[in-house]
Amino acid sequence: AQSVTQLDSQVPVFEEAPVELRCNYSSSVSVYLFWYVQYPNQGLQLLLKYLSGSTLVESINGFEAEFNKSQTSFHLRKPSVHISDTAEYFCAVSEGGGGAQKLVFGQGTRLTINP
Amino acid sequence: DAGVTQSPTHLIKTRGQQVTLRCSPKSGHDTVSWYQQALGQGPQFIFQYYEEEERQRGNFPDRFSGHQFPNYSSELNVNALLLGDSALYLCASSPTGLGDTQYFGPGTRLTVL
Repeated sequence: AQSVTQLDSQVPVFEEAPVELRCNYSSSVSVYLFWYVQYPNQGLQLLLKYLSGSTLVESINGFEAEFNKSQTSFHLRKPSVHISDTAEYFCAVSEGGGGAQKLVFGQGTRLTINP
Repeated sequence: DAGVTQSPTHLIKTRGQQVTLRCSPKSGHDTVSWYQQALGQGPQFIFQYYEEEERQRGNFPDRFSGHQFPNYSSELNVNALLLGDSALYLCASSPTGLGDTQYFGPGTRLTVL
């Protein structure tokens, strides 16, 4: 069975500092990987995804994540955070192979940006 | 282009009652998935509908049931509500195909008293 572990439940950082949110997964098959962001009292928004190809994927707002198959990780990074990045971040995995498969989520990491 | 919409936004029920939540998928999407997000937790997969049939199901009891209509919209029904059913219920839609991304609605906040 698939599982996702987000290693930090809370990450406080200062504005303009770099940040890394860690995600490890376990699966016996090939996977697709996702990061979603959830702002207070809202649903989930897709931040970025890895399906195949280049192991480094980027979002439009400066986040990036790197798929590391040997370490079964998909850590999310941003070189300089902004107050508006304060939110809950969820890593998710689905089985590859075609069709829309169920997403298995981690417990989430609450990112708090301090001025 | 409207995204995924859900109704109602909030709902308060008492134990033992039944509830129906509704979801309209993003235009062009034919697959609908439902997730339960308890407070402070990540979303948990309930089930997925495609071509009006349940295609996958998570580890939820039979009190949780659903339906998909010909226009791809979907309902989630929960019978005999328990206090533990209090959660944010999220609907996600996706198009058919390889590695499809799921797009989430804003959710329905269900409170069971």
